Amino acid sequence: QALLVQSGSELRKPGASVKVSCKASGYSFTYYGMNWMRQAPGQGLEWMGWINTNTGDPTYAQGFTGRFVFSLDKSVSTAYLQINSLTAEDTAVYYCAREGSGITAAARDWGQGTLVTVSS
Amino acid sequence: QSALTQPASLSGSPGQSITISCTGTSSDVGGYNYVSWYQQHPGKAPKLMIYEVNNRPSGISNRFSGSKSGNTASLTISGLQAEDEADYYCSSYTSMSTWMFGGGTKLTVL
Repeated sequence: QALLVQSGSELRKPGASVKVSCKASGYSFTYYGMNWMRQAPGQGLEWMGWINTNTGDPTYAQGFTGRFVFSLDKSVSTAYLQINSLTAEDTAVYYCAREGSGITAAARDWGQGTLVTVSS
Repeated sequence: QSALTQPASLSGSPGQSITISCTGTSSDVGGYNYVSWYQQHPGKAPKLMIYEVNNRPSGISNRFSGSKSGNTASLTISGLQAEDEADYYCSSYTSMSTWMFGGGTKLTVL
């Protein structure tokens, strides 16, 4: 049974950085890429991109280039999302998610979400 | 890239069937059989209900079904139940090798 557990809520001031973690268990970490999604308060889901957990190569969606960084620590089966130069518009719940066995281009398993609040 | 188009809200009575549409273009919905649907209850993570247009993950009720015609995909929920009240999002693979979500549909069970 795959499980993705994300780090807890974060409060940051504008201009600061934040790093969200997503620890995977119950499956071979490097077998499935890790996707990241954003959901602003009261808004819909946005696909931010994904990271190849085998090679570490990231792919960023339009609108998520420059300040957003996907990374990995394969030794602890954990993916990370770092956001730099935070603004109030980055306030959102961030989710990690992976495809499942036999499933293409759909997120079978999701983390519980991490709320990032940016406020002075 | 704009989001896929979904109705903002829909409602139905218990026992009825409802269909949520998801309209894209030939570069996403119409071009690939990689349309998926998610259910999201307030304060919870999304849950995959349908993948690859019409496949249900294990554990998902057969009251949920998916289809596609041209650039429009659809999610049908039959035998509507109170627990089906939630937000629903479609998603599609795109020609840019990205995923794209719809704006979401709020389903109310009357």
